Amino acid sequence: AQRVTQPEKLLSVFKGAPVELKCNYSYSGSPELFWYVQYSRQRLQLLLRHISRESIKGFTADLNKGETSFHLKKPFAQEEDSAMYYCALSGWTGANNLFFGTGTRLTVIP
Amino acid sequence: KAGVTQTPRYLIKTRGQQVTLSCSPISGHRSVSWYQQTPGQGLQFLFEYFSETQRNKGNFPGRFSGRQFSNSRSEMNVSTLELGDSALYLCASSSEGAKDTQYFGPGTRLTVL
Repeated sequence: AQRVTQPEKLLSVFKGAPVELKCNYSYSGSPELFWYVQYSRQRLQLLLRHISRESIKGFTADLNKGETSFHLKKPFAQEEDSAMYYCALSGWTGANNLFFGTGTRLTVIP
Repeated sequence: KAGVTQTPRYLIKTRGQQVTLSCSPISGHRSVSWYQQTPGQGLQFLFEYFSETQRNKGNFPGRFSGRQFSNSRSEMNVSTLELGDSALYLCASSSEGAKDTQYFGPGTRLTVL
């Protein structure tokens, strides 16, 4: 069965400090991993997906199949990064369904 | 392009009633997925429709059902409402391929009294 684990419900960092939001997954096949973000009073939106290998708003995430992890990182946190972050896994070929972690609320302290 | 829209935005029902929620996807998108978000369970996948056919289904009781119309608009229905059905219901649309980027709507907040 698919499972996505985000061990930290809350994470606070100071502006300018590095940030890492942890995500571990379990899935028997070849997963697609995503990070979604929800800013205050906005809808859930895609931040990045591992197959794109993009850096969005300074965030990067590397899929580590050996450790089954997909941690989200940013070297220097900004106040506007404060938001709810969800790690998600797409498990079924041929269908769009996402399995979400419980989310981590990131607060960047000025 | 206009984003995903959901109606109504807020809904209050009583136990035993039924409810229908509507989702209009981004123009040109043929896949619509539905999710339930609660404080206790987080975001959970309900089902996905593609070209008017249910393509995948999550682990929810049969009281939860949905459909998709030829214009890709989708509705979900919950019958015999229970208190535990109180949640934010999100729909998401994507163009058509499997695992395409999903674009989420603002959600419908359902309260069951």
